[in-house]
Amino acid sequence: DTGVSQNPRHKITKRGQNVTFRCDPISEHNRLYWYRQTLGQGPEFLTYFQNEAQLEKSRLLSDRFSAERPKGSFSTLEIQRTEQGDSAMYLCASSTGQASSYNEQFFGPGTRLTVL
Amino acid sequence: RKEVEQDPGPFNVPEGATVAFNCTYSNSASQSFFWYRQDCRKEPKLLMSVYSSGNEDGRFTAQLNRASQYISLLIRDSKLSDSATYLCVVETSGGSYIPTFGRGTSLIVHP
Repeated sequence: DTGVSQNPRHKITKRGQNVTFRCDPISEHNRLYWYRQTLGQGPEFLTYFQNEAQLEKSRLLSDRFSAERPKGSFSTLEIQRTEQGDSAMYLCASSTGQASSYNEQFFGPGTRLTVL
Repeated sequence: RKEVEQDPGPFNVPEGATVAFNCTYSNSASQSFFWYRQDCRKEPKLLMSVYSSGNEDGRFTAQLNRASQYISLLIRDSKLSDSATYLCVVETSGGSYIPTFGRGTSLIVHP
């Protein structure tokens, strides 16, 4: 399967714990996005990478959230000191990222986080 | 006011019906517009881009009205398989390209 993959698919954690999610984009894609989606809402932009550079980060993203893409390939999203309000589906997407244009984003299946 | 607004529906239509959704956006500097489809418990997938001159792909037609700041999606001859949530996406450039998704419009096509 050459699509976007995400691990784990489901994560249940207790409030206050740290969690880390991984995203493996389509291999030739240099843009990678993280989104959060809750029931009845569209995906909410969190952050985006062009290769290994984190170019944008949502103002809504608290300092408990951090993302990395160290070698410009896979990415990790870490949430520290989780809160019940962090419960959501975390989606990763990748695109070819041609300069100065939008490219179709291909989404992974998501990681569903439940904070007890 | 939200940046991108959609009527969440649901729109309940019989097979064969024509249905239209609108999506309004608040930032007049928005540059790119798209419709994505999301099936229940699945990830979003691109349905079509929306061009200034309007564009058609089979039974689907997308239109952009910059003056009134809305985009529309028309589905003709609805099929049961069209049942899904349709997400409007607006992209604004401020150096980088940040996509903003609407909350989606739910469509249910019944026999």
